[in-house]
Amino acid sequence: DQQVKQNSPSLSVQEGRISILNCDYTNSMFDYFLWYKKYPAEGPTFLISISSIKDKNEDGRFTVFLNKSAKHLSLHIVPSQPGDSAVYFCAASATGGYQKVTFGTGTKLQVIP
Amino acid sequence: EAGVTQFPSHSVIEKGQTVTLRCDPISGHDNLYWYRRVMGKEIKFLLHFVKESKQDESGMPNNRFLAERTGGTYSTLKVQPAELEDSGVYFCASRGQEHGYTFGSGTRLTVV
Repeated sequence: DQQVKQNSPSLSVQEGRISILNCDYTNSMFDYFLWYKKYPAEGPTFLISISSIKDKNEDGRFTVFLNKSAKHLSLHIVPSQPGDSAVYFCAASATGGYQKVTFGTGTKLQVIP
Repeated sequence: EAGVTQFPSHSVIEKGQTVTLRCDPISGHDNLYWYRRVMGKEIKFLLHFVKESKQDESGMPNNRFLAERTGGTYSTLKVQPAELEDSGVYFCASRGQEHGYTFGSGTRLTVV
């Protein structure tokens, strides 16, 4: 039972444009959401997070939006850069991010120069 | 600050053999987690240590997997005997008081 779903396995975007990565979840108990970025042969790296009490969190070129009623979140990268090419994992936690985290299957982003 | 270190980085073993993976968390991090990614699927939770105690081991697949964290420092994950479906990348992560984990680079286990 996949509680965190990333339905797009891959995404290609031109450099300078916006990248939008989507994520849906089914567990209403999730109260903290995270995005991780992963390069080949490396572990996932924490990118940005959002608490369920907010609907938006911004950090530089990265913004995460949360729509609790739709159980949907998205990661916006503006402007996209070739170095952003990686696999992006959406993740969720039911304990404020302090205990185990449930990951999605990832979306491979390719930013074309 | 040194990151989370895992070794070996790769391991190829035959079905039925035993393999032990090791994780050294960031110094001072009480929370240590093991996760596994199988064949490009989601990264799945295995277990969580707080210091030397198992806080949550609900993700451990079966009793062929044994995790330990003696003294609350490094952790080992032993698979005995290994089966073909155990192949995947095993990630270790540690966390201090903040929200986000710091992951190691993972151990790629191949059972043939």
